[in-house]
Amino acid sequence: TQLLEQSPQFLSIQEGENLTVYCNSSSVFSSLQWYRQEPGEGPVLLVTVVTGGEVKKLKRLTFQFGDARKDSSLHITAAQPGDTGLYLCAGAENFNKFYFGSGTKLNVKP
Amino acid sequence: GAVVSQHPSRVICKSGTSVKIECRSLDFQATTMFWYRQFPKQSLMLMATSNEGSKATYEQGVEKDKFLINHASLTLSTLTVTSAHPEDSSFYICSASGSGYTQYFGPGTRLTVL
Repeated sequence: TQLLEQSPQFLSIQEGENLTVYCNSSSVFSSLQWYRQEPGEGPVLLVTVVTGGEVKKLKRLTFQFGDARKDSSLHITAAQPGDTGLYLCAGAENFNKFYFGSGTKLNVKP
Repeated sequence: GAVVSQHPSRVICKSGTSVKIECRSLDFQATTMFWYRQFPKQSLMLMATSNEGSKATYEQGVEKDKFLINHASLTLSTLTVTSAHPEDSSFYICSASGSGYTQYFGPGTRLTVL
């Protein structure tokens, strides 16, 4: 059973388009992280959000943590082929136990 | 940034043998280390959480006698897959967490059991 559900599962878009990935749960998390993973490699941390309602920006990526700390979203503006990868959210219980979302596989076509 | 290494990166073994995977935090002390398993095109599934000097806590459905975890120091944790079978073939990833919220991931180990 997945504690965190991500949507969509797959996304194929053209370069320059915008997209949003959602991460939802019925559980409250002390923190939530977003990762990107390339095939055959470990996940690479993009951002950590801790406070309900928090918004963080990383260049063309905008991350938001829901007010109730149960959900989060990742918005990418003007997607580029280099953004292609598997995007994973991970929620932490008690700050030190993490559960991963189901993943969103993004393909950005040139 | 914090670096976590895993060794080996790839291993192929015969059915029935045991395989040990090492996870090291290279430039920080890891209070907690985590072991995950990932099947192709799927997300990471937490297998167990280990704290230095104490027994690992396994997730439901993970056989502790099958997947032996040792966290002997603040920079090293090992996962031993005992009597491996083809269904144990997977991508095993460790992560390490210090005093903060962030966990840092190793590059993963691809295990293939013939």
